[in-house]
Amino acid sequence: EVELVESGGGLVTPGGSLRLSCGASGFIFSIYTMNWVRQAPGKGLEWVSSIRGSVGSGGNIYYADSARGRFTISRDNSKNSLYLQMNSLRVEDTAVYYCTRDSSGTNPGEFDTWGRGTLVTVSS
Amino acid sequence: QSVLTQPPSVSAAPRQRVTISCSGSNSNIGNYAVNWFQQVPGKVPKLLIYLDDLLPSGIPDRFSGSRSGTSASLAISGLQPEDEADYYCASWDDRLNGVAFGGGTKLTVL
Repeated sequence: EVELVESGGGLVTPGGSLRLSCGASGFIFSIYTMNWVRQAPGKGLEWVSSIRGSVGSGGNIYYADSARGRFTISRDNSKNSLYLQMNSLRVEDTAVYYCTRDSSGTNPGEFDTWGRGTLVTVSS
Repeated sequence: QSVLTQPPSVSAAPRQRVTISCSGSNSNIGNYAVNWFQQVPGKVPKLLIYLDDLLPSGIPDRFSGSRSGTSASLAISGLQPEDEADYYCASWDDRLNGVAFGGGTKLTVL
């Protein structure tokens, strides 16, 4: 069974840092583009960042403007794991962060698998 | 302000048909496929439609999608109470150099 499990969320003060992790199982992790998508309380979905798999443009990384310069996405294919290092956190970064798999290498945004999410709360 | 524009809410009675629009531009929908997601309250989003009009396994054919020009639509026929959810469109955007989501549409089954 294809599964994604996020961890690492929690309460952090503004300006602080947090590292999210996502463990993958049930598929060949290395070949898929992986993503972080967040949802602020009561709000819509917001794409945060993507990192391509080893096929095609392997390793290419993309960030939303809100994340660029503060967040760093990475992956360890040997551990079937995706990460999001979040620095200089702001109150507006408060959200549930979902790890997602992009099922297509040619149709970005085809997020066919989602984790249950991990809540990040930025508050003083 | 979302790059892709959806109506905030739509409603219809059971067994009726409803459509949800998603309006974009040539930097996104005009050149890239659209995917649709369903999020039932309190649940994780689920892929509903991909590549404009394809249904993932397990999605009933009451759901259908289309794309024309810089707009896309999601149609749900034979509405059922369990269809009450938030629906989001998504597409790659060249200006963002990333995935753009619509603001979401809340469907109420009257």
